[in-house]
Amino acid sequence: NAGVTQTPKFQVLKTGQSMTLQCAQDMNHEYMSWYRQDPGMGLRLIHYSVGAGITDQGEVPNGYNVSRSTTEDFPLRLLSAAPSQTSVYFCASSYVGAEGKNTGELFFGEGSRLTVL
Amino acid sequence: AQSVTQLDSHVSVSEGTPVLLRCNYSSSYSPSLFWYVQHPNKGLQLLLKYTSAATLVKGINGFEAEFKKSETSFHLTKPSAHMSDAAEYFCVVSDRGSGNNRLAFGKGNQVVVIP
Repeated sequence: NAGVTQTPKFQVLKTGQSMTLQCAQDMNHEYMSWYRQDPGMGLRLIHYSVGAGITDQGEVPNGYNVSRSTTEDFPLRLLSAAPSQTSVYFCASSYVGAEGKNTGELFFGEGSRLTVL
Repeated sequence: AQSVTQLDSHVSVSEGTPVLLRCNYSSSYSPSLFWYVQHPNKGLQLLLKYTSAATLVKGINGFEAEFKKSETSFHLTKPSAHMSDAAEYFCVVSDRGSGNNRLAFGKGNQVVVIP
């Protein structure tokens, strides 16, 4: 039972480079999301999706793109990396409740640590 | 919008003594409340949740939390700390009935357990 799988676990980029963080889940969860975690800041929502073809912005979406072509996958793209994007990134998934919202019971990946020089 | 306040960013407890982590929330609707734990270099794991049933909620590893609407609190407790409890703990609120699909995370409590 893999749960939520994130790749890569570690990445170093130079300013201006692009990259994609991959996230896959095998629990048939409708809801998927990306968070960034910075010291003393808790977790902040970047983007989320409630199903294939549907995405929406979170608190800190600038500099990031997402797409959801399948239920299983939710990649996060950095088009032109900046030092301010140095962080630990977490993908999380959940079932969607009757109101079409995530249940709050999130399943997290183990994180991707990104450093932008 | 909903929000969470966790005081005491760093908490030290001796092994075998009680653990108390405080969480106060702000919510315009009936909230759902959660505590998550994060061990070093790992993702977050759900400890326990409150939706709308019993106000005293029991979770994994001997943790429990009590929802107090009058105090807008959801404090996490454990009677006796174990070395394996050393981790970071996050209180999270979700507004049931609101139009948004977002959870608000507190800034976390880093717990150190002293042998």
